[in-house]
Amino acid sequence: EVQVVESGGGLVQPGGSLRLSCAASGFTFRIYAMDWVRQASGKGLEWVSAISTDSKSRYYADSVKGRFTISRDNSKNTLYLEMNTLSVEDTARYFCAKRAGETATTRQADYWGQGTLVTVSS
Amino acid sequence: IQLTQSPSFLSASVGDRVTITCRASQAINGYLAWYQQKAGKAPRLLIYAASTLQSGVPSRFSGGGSGTEFTLTVTSLQAEDFATYYCQQLDSYPLTFGGGTRVEI
Repeated sequence: EVQVVESGGGLVQPGGSLRLSCAASGFTFRIYAMDWVRQASGKGLEWVSAISTDSKSRYYADSVKGRFTISRDNSKNTLYLEMNTLSVEDTARYFCAKRAGETATTRQADYWGQGTLVTVSS
Repeated sequence: IQLTQSPSFLSASVGDRVTITCRASQAINGYLAWYQQKAGKAPRLLIYAASTLQSGVPSRFSGGGSGTEFTLTVTSLQAEDFATYYCQQLDSYPLTFGGGTRVEI
């Protein structure tokens, strides 16, 4: 069974940092690109970042570029999101999602975790 | 690329046929996906490549469109279909979602 499970969320002060993890199982992690998507309470979905299978290609939303870093460890079947200089606008549930493939025709997210909550507040 | 969904809210009854529209600010080569999200749950992929039904999704869901205008249609709405629906363009980075359409009884 395909599973992605996020962890690492919590309460952090403005300007602080947090590292999210996403543990993958039930599929060959190293051959699938992965995404992070977030959702503030009562709001819509916002795509945050994506990473290719070999980590050579990384993409970010303008709202997080320069502050967030996506990475992966294929030996540990784990995806990460390093978040720095956090602001209250970053408060949201962060979802990890597996892509259907690596190509432009397979960028859709076919499996999602339940998310981890990040709260930025003083 | 901006995606505009309409309507943002839709009131319907079981058995109704409903259509949600997603308009892109530029052509996206058909690289569009639709997701369903129920309260407190993760999104679920329904449609990709504008009109391809994801495995396991009921055939009452269908997608269409091209260029900059796309639709998600649910024929004969069921009780379990009341949820929020999002479109997402997959053509170019940064990837973007539409604002969502909430379908309520």
